[in-house]
Amino acid sequence: AQKITQTQPGMFVQEKEAVTLDCTYDTSDPSYGLFWYKQPSSGEMIFLIYQGSYDQQNATEGRYSLNFQKARKSANLVISASQLGDSAMYFCAIGAGGGADGLTFGKGTHLIIQP
Amino acid sequence: EADIYQTPRYLVIGTGKKITLECSQTMGHDKMYWYQQDPGMELHLIHYSYGVNSTEKGDLSSESTVSRIRTEHFPLTLESARPSHTSQYLCASSDQGVNYEQYFGPGTRLTVT
Repeated sequence: AQKITQTQPGMFVQEKEAVTLDCTYDTSDPSYGLFWYKQPSSGEMIFLIYQGSYDQQNATEGRYSLNFQKARKSANLVISASQLGDSAMYFCAIGAGGGADGLTFGKGTHLIIQP
Repeated sequence: EADIYQTPRYLVIGTGKKITLECSQTMGHDKMYWYQQDPGMELHLIHYSYGVNSTEKGDLSSESTVSRIRTEHFPLTLESARPSHTSQYLCASSDQGVNYEQYFGPGTRLTVT
């Protein structure tokens, strides 16, 4: 069984500041993938970043980076230079072997960027 | 650009009706998924498929059924809708031979009255 814990139900951040969204996970699978998705109020799911359990380096995609600490079972998302358009729900998810059998999601963090 | 479509986008239907939520993708992905999401809550996997003629149940028990007769099509059916089925249903697909991203459709918001 897999589990994702996101301990920040909501966050308020000033525009242009960096944001860290917390995610811890639990799994018994030796190979797994960690995902972050953004869900705006319109409801669509937007893929942000992926980290494989055997990847040596932290994943980065533009303003998004994943702070992967395997020993602590954490996969925090860092958003640099936040923008008003970053306001949304953010979900952390885990999938065994990269997610072929589907993903287990956390409860999400509602991020609000203030001008 | 993800090409995965869901119809209808919104559906309000009475208790006891049979409904089919459609999901199609034009990316040739083998793997497809259905997730259920209540407002403001996390997504739960209810069904997935590795390819044609393959269907598996997900982590969340669901009274819905799915079929996969064609690679591009993965419909979800509720034989008799109930108010407890009111939720958003999200379809996704992936080609994990290339990358691990799951591409999501826009979702269907179902309300059973």
